Amino acid sequence: LAKTTQPISMDSYEGQEVNITCSHNNIATNDYITWYQQFPSQGPRFIIQGYKTKVTNEVASLFIPADRKSSTLSLPRVSLSDTAVYYCLVGGNTGGFKTIFGAGTRLFVKA
Amino acid sequence: NAGVTQTPKFRVLKTGQSMTLLCAQDMNHEYMYWYRQDPGMGLRLIHYSVGEGTTAKGEVPDGYNVSRLKKQNFLLGLESAAPSQTSVYFCASSFQDRGIDEQYFGPGTRLTVT
Repeated sequence: LAKTTQPISMDSYEGQEVNITCSHNNIATNDYITWYQQFPSQGPRFIIQGYKTKVTNEVASLFIPADRKSSTLSLPRVSLSDTAVYYCLVGGNTGGFKTIFGAGTRLFVKA
Repeated sequence: NAGVTQTPKFRVLKTGQSMTLLCAQDMNHEYMYWYRQDPGMGLRLIHYSVGEGTTAKGEVPDGYNVSRLKKQNFLLGLESAAPSQTSVYFCASSFQDRGIDEQYFGPGTRLTVT
């Protein structure tokens, strides 16, 4: 299993861009990188997933360097409603359950 | 579509009591999961199911039992509740169980064991 390491918490202000980096030194060839968001008192919600280079959707961007040993979730112009816990997960597309949620990164967005 | 629903939303049990948590999904997903989340921590997998009639142990299965008699339902049982089982329980489902498959989560059940 590829273990991930994320900062425990981050602070930001409204309107700023936030970058959360996740380290996964033991990522396997067939592993993808997935990010989930969890608001207080709710279940996690899928944000974005990628394998290499850059992926962008309406919510965030995901940057993955060539060695894939880390990834960065980028949230453009955050608002107070982006205050949540963000989880970085690494898992492969082979059969068998391998997804593990770590402690995540608590993002606090201030006015 | 309702997605993933959980019943009940809140429950208080006394030590030694039993209860069953119900998870239902209407997305025709094959795979379903039960997690627990303790304060300030990430989710830990209790049990999961790869299809109707099948179940498997996750990371923290002790003290829990599960059943998947129907594809759309996944039940989590506590036979003799203990204070250490005080937690928020989340159910999730996915189309497949590959690491790249998006999991859809329910709203959670907050359980307190006194």
